[in-house]
Amino acid sequence: EVQLVQSGAEVKKPGESLKISCKGSGYSFTNYWIAWVRQMPGKGLEWMGIIYFGDSDTRYSPSFQGQVTISGDKSINTAYLQWSSLKASDTAMYYCARLGLGGYSYGDYWGQGTLVTVSS
Amino acid sequence: EIVLTQSPGTLSLSPGERATLSCRASQSIISYLAWYQQKPGQAPRLLIYGASNRATGIPDRFSGSGSGTDFTLTISRLEPEDCGVYYCQQYAGSPPTFGQGTKLEIK
Repeated sequence: EVQLVQSGAEVKKPGESLKISCKGSGYSFTNYWIAWVRQMPGKGLEWMGIIYFGDSDTRYSPSFQGQVTISGDKSINTAYLQWSSLKASDTAMYYCARLGLGGYSYGDYWGQGTLVTVSS
Repeated sequence: EIVLTQSPGTLSLSPGERATLSCRASQSIISYLAWYQQKPGQAPRLLIYGASNRATGIPDRFSGSGSGTDFTLTISRLEPEDCGVYYCQQYAGSPPTFGQGTKLEIK
């Protein structure tokens, strides 16, 4: 069974750093891309960026380029999303998703989400 | 960036009725369109990919159609558990983008 399990909710202060994770199981991790998707409170879905574990190719949506870093460790089937200096506007639910067909495609399996709250 | 516009914003229907949700792209995306259902407090669930292909485990009450710029998700016989927000997503262009969602209420 394909599963993506994300790390737990986080409460941080503005300016702090954060790294959240997404661990895959039940499939060959290095054969698929993983995407990160943001959902701000009460809002829709936004595509942040993707990573391919076969060769660590990483691509960002223009809106998120330079704002976050996507990385991964294929030895433990885990993708990461990190911030070096959080802002209140980073408060959101963050989902990881396995992409079903190549780099830019659809999410066929999704993690349960990680809620990030940034507040002073 | 390709913009997807979904309509209506909210749809309120009774069990057993047919729901028709629309998604229009700002330029041709051929058939590179997916549909998701998101229930409150849950992650999105893939329903349809390639505009008309049902994802694994999705009931045949859900069907997708369209190509180019105009797409439709049809739920043929609504059940109470079909309530939620439905999003379309294009993956023809970079970056992939989502529509703003249609909220489906079951009376």
